[in-house]
Amino acid sequence: GENVEQHPSTLSVQEGDSAVIKCTYSDSASNYFPWYKQELGKRPQLIIDIRSNVGEKKDQRIAVTLNKTAKHFSLHITETQPEDSAVYFCAAKGDFGNEKLTFGTGTRLTIIP
Amino acid sequence: KAGVTQTPRYLIKTRGQQVTLSCSPISGHRSVSWYQQTPGQGLQFLFEYFSETQRNKGNFPGRFSGRQFSNSRSEMNVSTLELGDSALYLCASSGLAGGETQYFGPGTRLLVL
Repeated sequence: GENVEQHPSTLSVQEGDSAVIKCTYSDSASNYFPWYKQELGKRPQLIIDIRSNVGEKKDQRIAVTLNKTAKHFSLHITETQPEDSAVYFCAAKGDFGNEKLTFGTGTRLTIIP
Repeated sequence: KAGVTQTPRYLIKTRGQQVTLSCSPISGHRSVSWYQQTPGQGLQFLFEYFSETQRNKGNFPGRFSGRQFSNSRSEMNVSTLELGDSALYLCASSGLAGGETQYFGPGTRLLVL
């Protein structure tokens, strides 16, 4: 089955700096890659997603890049703010017959004021 | 639209008991997926229901089961509870089958004593 690895497990950055979280997946047939943000005590919320026919997607301060050849995708947050502090999860969805989200183990991002 | 709701929000049970959790998806969504979230394992996929049919199943023992009703509401049942079943159980709904663009509920926190 699909295996998603996420790094780093914890990340601290100064406010205003950029943060990058990386994920790799094992199933080359995976075709959908969402990122979720989970604040303490709250539900995971979808912040951005990308499909396998696109290499990059951006939404204000958040961007995701996908390298299908390397089976690697990354989340980039620029101009970080205190409210960006949360746990971030990447996920990958398999293709027909294995259409479920497999999640990475999460990255705890702390923004230092 | 109202978001995904889950009941109850908190449960305390003892080993050997069984428990039923409920999830009401966003109106119009026919797909409901269930996940177990624990600090060490992250989000683990349990199963997905679409139009009252189980479409996918994760690697959990048969003690974990679910069903979906004609109004798309879903229930998850865990029989013969074990201490290791203590976790946050999240459901997510989607307008599409197969895992894309999922919206999570607040979760049910289950503590097994």
